[in-house]
Amino acid sequence: NAGVMQNPRHLVRRRGQEARLRCSPMKGHSHVYWYRQLPEEGLKFMVYLQKENIIDESGMPKERFSAEFPKEGPSILRIQQVVRGDSAAYFCASSPGWGNQPQHFGDGTRLSIL
Amino acid sequence: TQLLEQSPQFLSIQEGENLTVYCNSSSVFSSLQWYRQEPGEGPVLLVTVVTGGEVKKLKRLTFQFGDARKDSSLHITAAQPGDTGLYLCAGILTQGGSEKLVFGKGMKLTVNP
Repeated sequence: NAGVMQNPRHLVRRRGQEARLRCSPMKGHSHVYWYRQLPEEGLKFMVYLQKENIIDESGMPKERFSAEFPKEGPSILRIQQVVRGDSAAYFCASSPGWGNQPQHFGDGTRLSIL
Repeated sequence: TQLLEQSPQFLSIQEGENLTVYCNSSSVFSSLQWYRQEPGEGPVLLVTVVTGGEVKKLKRLTFQFGDARKDSSLHITAAQPGDTGLYLCAGILTQGGSEKLVFGKGMKLTVNP
């Protein structure tokens, strides 16, 4: 499968724990985007990264959330000290570049906070 | 504030019926994309419309981009149960060296056999 790969597909955490969500973009794609989807809602932009650079994090909560896309390896979305309100589906998308390029989505990670 | 408003939000129809879903905004987008999402999966891109007034057809699906590039519609002819899903429109917003998708809340379609 050469598509966007996200893992884990489901993640359960207790309040106060850390959650790490991983995303491997499609082969040849160097642009990664993270979106969050709440029940009955559309997807909301969180962060846009290129290799080793955060381009736009305007959709990220100011505290507890961070993202990276290292030179080697997958992109990571990290949520520290999770709270119940963090429960959502988190989707990663990748594209080959800029300028109306289509974004291809993974199947998401469903995060549940107990 | 929702930049993209989709209507209707829910629709339940019988197999064979036609339907139209609308996506409206007060903002101008460089392009607009339509996605279909099934439960437990990520959105799958159906089409990208770029030029104002553009019409694209994908089998029984017809997509139109408004002349002013602020709105779009998706028309499905002779709907089938396999068309059931969440239909999302998304505008590409380019600002300050960044590019991101702005999504509507989606239209949840159920086609009954």
